[in-house]
Amino acid sequence: KAGVTQTPRYLIKTRGQQVTLSCSPISGHRSVSWYQQTPGQGLQFLFEYFSETQRNKGNFPGRFSGRQFSNSRSEMNVSTLELGDSALYLCASSLDGDNSPLHFGNGTRLTVT
Amino acid sequence: GQQLNQSPQSMFIQEGEDVSMNCTSSSIFNTWLWYKQDPGEGPVLLIALYKAGELTSNGRLTAQFGITRKDSFLNISASIPSDVGIYFCAGVIIQGAQKLVFGQGTRLTINP
Repeated sequence: KAGVTQTPRYLIKTRGQQVTLSCSPISGHRSVSWYQQTPGQGLQFLFEYFSETQRNKGNFPGRFSGRQFSNSRSEMNVSTLELGDSALYLCASSLDGDNSPLHFGNGTRLTVT
Repeated sequence: GQQLNQSPQSMFIQEGEDVSMNCTSSSIFNTWLWYKQDPGEGPVLLIALYKAGELTSNGRLTAQFGITRKDSFLNISASIPSDVGIYFCAGVIIQGAQKLVFGQGTRLTINP
């Protein structure tokens, strides 16, 4: 069974630009969550989607948004990029998002210059 | 908000030694998860704990869900070089949707 797939693996953007990251969950998993990982803040929850609906959201500004498609694939968008947005963005999927464990992809490394 | 205190932050041990790390919180969690992250990769699930007091093993790894539901520990026995990496605990909150709160991580270094 293929794991969680994230594309692209690496991105370099400049301040003010916007970026879209993609995540394909494990087959059969309906919940997709996004996390930001930085050396200073560690792993921080962004949001969680289930059946194309955002069910939970972390404490990030509105520049961070996401969506989920009918095939459970998800995208995350960051607009008006800031230097502080440089991070590893991790996507995780689970069967139902209730209490089944999360399985992570290898992330997208975003660098904002 | 919920916070997890994971300790120690780093460990330097000799190959073959046993390792112990733990996470504590003032909040109650429904589930505790332990992950390992290697450089350039995402966290990989090691052990999931669902009941207070539960003790679960996965090979040389053993983890326990604290009775109070506010803490968990992970032990690694007879460490080997491939155990090197960063270990994270995560507490699961279910409030209409699942959200993980992560500890700060324990960086394990093994001297051969």
